[in-house]
Amino acid sequence: SAVISQKPSRDICQRGTSLTIQCQVDSQVTMMFWYRQQPGQSLTLIATANQGSEATYESGFVIDKFPISRPNLTFSTLTVSNMSPEDSSIYLCSGRTGQGQYGYTFGSGTRLTVV
Amino acid sequence: DQQVKQNSPSLSVQEGRISILNCDYTNSMFDYFLWYKKYPAEGPTFLISISSIKDKNEDGRFTVFLNKSAKHLSLHIVPSQPGDSAVYFCAARAAGGTSYGKLTFGQGTILTVHP
Repeated sequence: SAVISQKPSRDICQRGTSLTIQCQVDSQVTMMFWYRQQPGQSLTLIATANQGSEATYESGFVIDKFPISRPNLTFSTLTVSNMSPEDSSIYLCSGRTGQGQYGYTFGSGTRLTVV
Repeated sequence: DQQVKQNSPSLSVQEGRISILNCDYTNSMFDYFLWYKKYPAEGPTFLISISSIKDKNEDGRFTVFLNKSAKHLSLHIVPSQPGDSAVYFCAARAAGGTSYGKLTFGQGTILTVHP
């Protein structure tokens, strides 16, 4: 299966600033997803990153807060903008490499703390 | 509205015994159910899955059972090993429509296997 390299692995940021998280896949993936995992909570889908077009956001998430880029089939970024302490979470990217139930691979996650 | 639920936040089992992790769902429009295992500071890794048209899938020490009428699935690990200690997430894949391919996760169950 594909391998996804995600960075940074963790960061501590000041409120009001922005952080960009990168995910690089070692093969082309048809779909990429960005998730947030708040402390003690489940993984919540933020958006689906579409190659060559705007990302599709889930209810409760907006592009101004979480702009996403996907310039090609192996790379995507998520920016957490104008951060507040409520944005402190683990952020994960995931790629779907193709058909079948086995094709979902996750990055190792970015642990973000906003102070 | 939590469509996938894991009602047990934690489970403690003795080494060699069976671990049973449970998951309930409310949406009939899922075509695959997946189990992921997550260690701290790592992304979720795929364990085993089951198609909605099956009632059982086995892979080594791991067996997943699906009861469609009850909208319930369970993961059996036997025998349990200390290395199985991790957070286990149940996930369901949307079968079609605008949500096609997206995963919905449960809250996770922390499994601890004692030597």
